[in-house]
Amino acid sequence: GIQVEQSPPDLILQEGANSTLRCNFSDSVNNLQWFHQNPWGQLINLFYIPSGTKQNGRLSATTVATERYSLLYISSSQTTDSGVYFCAVAGGSQGNLIFGKGTKLSVKP
Amino acid sequence: DVKVTQSSRYLVKRTGEKVFLECVQDMDHENMFWYRQDPGLGLRLIYFSYDVKMKEKGDIPEGYSVSREKKERFSLILESASTNQTSMYLCASRTIRQGGETQYFGPGTRLLVL
Repeated sequence: GIQVEQSPPDLILQEGANSTLRCNFSDSVNNLQWFHQNPWGQLINLFYIPSGTKQNGRLSATTVATERYSLLYISSSQTTDSGVYFCAVAGGSQGNLIFGKGTKLSVKP
Repeated sequence: DVKVTQSSRYLVKRTGEKVFLECVQDMDHENMFWYRQDPGLGLRLIYFSYDVKMKEKGDIPEGYSVSREKKERFSLILESASTNQTSMYLCASRTIRQGGETQYFGPGTRLLVL
């Protein structure tokens, strides 16, 4: 099956800093999503982005499908950005998501 | 706003007990999913359902079963709980529309099996 690797596994930032999270995947996909899990465990969908670039406020994401990677950018980070960011992909007819192991982000005030 | 609710946030059970985890969504979504999340392993799919009375095995179905009698409700059943089923359980429902899909997650149930 498709392998999903996220980097870095852990990231500590000072409030106001920018960051880039990476997701590599091993095969072609027709679905790629980014999620944020807050410290209380709630998962929220951030982007559906199988290709191209999208922006939502301070967050943006770019997927280069031909090179099998996606990037999540967080600008001017805030303490509320803390949590775990997951990349999830799907390929083929079933379309069930395969999740990476996540990047744990800690934003310090 | 889409709402996915799970019956319990925290649950403590004993080995061998039968455990029911309930998930309800209020947006008439056809697709629903059960995942478990363990440290260092990310989320792994246990079972999913594309419609009422339909169920399909995910990546780690052993020791679990599911029930989907109504569209809004998807139940996960641990037939005989074991300590290696101590985990965080997450339910999700999915909508697919032009421009993409979105999975909506419940708040999770932290299950401890003693």
